Amino acid sequence: DIQMTQSPSSLSASVGDRVTITCRASQSISSNLNWYHQKPGKAPKLLIYAASSLQSGVPSRFSGSGSGTDFTLTISSLQPEDFATYYCQQSYSTPYTFGQGTKLEIK
Amino acid sequence: EVQLVESGGGLVQPAGSLRLSCAASGFTFSTSSMNWVRQAPGKGLEWVSYISGSSAIIYYADSVKGRFTISRDNAKNSLYLQMSSLRAEDSAVYYCARSGFDMWGQGTMVTVSS
Repeated sequence: DIQMTQSPSSLSASVGDRVTITCRASQSISSNLNWYHQKPGKAPKLLIYAASSLQSGVPSRFSGSGSGTDFTLTISSLQPEDFATYYCQQSYSTPYTFGQGTKLEIK
Repeated sequence: EVQLVESGGGLVQPAGSLRLSCAASGFTFSTSSMNWVRQAPGKGLEWVSYISGSSAIIYYADSVKGRFTISRDNAKNSLYLQMSSLRAEDSAVYYCARSGFDMWGQGTMVTVSS
């Protein structure tokens, strides 16, 4: 199975900050990488697919980059609604494994 | 409206069975591959199973293989997860998600406990 490792596990930041979350795959997954955020009691919401493509309706302050084994999610200017838990997921091969999550909290 | 709605969760005893359903609307269900993903309380996301639009291709996570069965009824726009030999560690919110993971249901809670 492909292991996905996110860092950091938690992060404190302020509104307006630029934030970067990283995700590393245990083997190459090309660009088959999705990013989600999830708020308590809600389903995950797809933000970025294919490593760098912005899902329809998602604000342009979210961006993704990377290929192979190393990926990043960047939020250019944090908004209050962005405080949530973020997950990466590989869609290269089953089982479609997720990272352990990054909890983004208000500083 | 494009949506997925899960149902069928509840409290079940260890070794028991439960069948989850996911009703789809607003898109062409029959050509959409589907997944089940679960999340134990306070934990991360775990992919459970995948089924292609025609049901010809099916995959399972090792943790549920041999105990869970995914199926679909395209005439009813519905996805199912038959769960048997349930264990405490199967307790989770179960989500159905369209392939591409661009659409998720609201989830249904399964609790395995005596």
